[in-house]
Amino acid sequence: ETGVTQTPRHLVMGMTNKKSLKCEQHLGHNAMYWYKQSAKKPLELMFVYNFKEQTENNSVPSRFSPECPNSSHLFLHLHTLQPEDSALYLCASSQGGQGQNYGYTFGSGTRLTVV
Amino acid sequence: GQNIDQPTEMTATEGAIVQINCTYQTSGFNGLFWYQQHAGEAPTFLSYNVLDGLEEKGRFSSFLSRSKGYSYLLLKELQMKDSASYLCAVRDRGYGQNFVFGPGTRLSVLP
Repeated sequence: ETGVTQTPRHLVMGMTNKKSLKCEQHLGHNAMYWYKQSAKKPLELMFVYNFKEQTENNSVPSRFSPECPNSSHLFLHLHTLQPEDSALYLCASSQGGQGQNYGYTFGSGTRLTVV
Repeated sequence: GQNIDQPTEMTATEGAIVQINCTYQTSGFNGLFWYQQHAGEAPTFLSYNVLDGLEEKGRFSSFLSRSKGYSYLLLKELQMKDSASYLCAVRDRGYGQNFVFGPGTRLSVLP
């Protein structure tokens, strides 16, 4: 366990399905993130939340919809996905702050396959 | 634009030393991080550099040259468990925690 828990670990969904990914952290961090990790490509930032407020949406298609009800929980709602959306979706959290060694704590990810 | 380059794959022998290079071009710079990611697992934090020079942490060391946009991760006394992907990431702003990640270097340690 890394302190950031993601569920489910694996998900297979059809293109017409609606599903949600969940992320939970109890580290007292105030920032949470969604990243997409595709094979042989760098981690791609999708969304950033600071103190429950979305501060970044990195040109993500509307078929991905984030929700952050509180500073400990983050969701990614999925609907009408495409096969190219198949990837590992990683959640991360951080303490925030300037000039400090505040790296990320990552969850183990959800391996998503769209069929 | 934002760009971070790393070799895609490297192979080394158990007990040896390996150096993984990272070059970056980002709009800002507020620290360079290295993460280790085993297959199917979460990336875990290895090291952090914000000033030029070498940071040593046990078998792992990381070096930074800001003027050259260059860093490397040095792994000594390699062990089989060091087989993993190593991700170079640059924090590109003074506020928040937004990182630009490199593609990762997959290291295979052979007996």
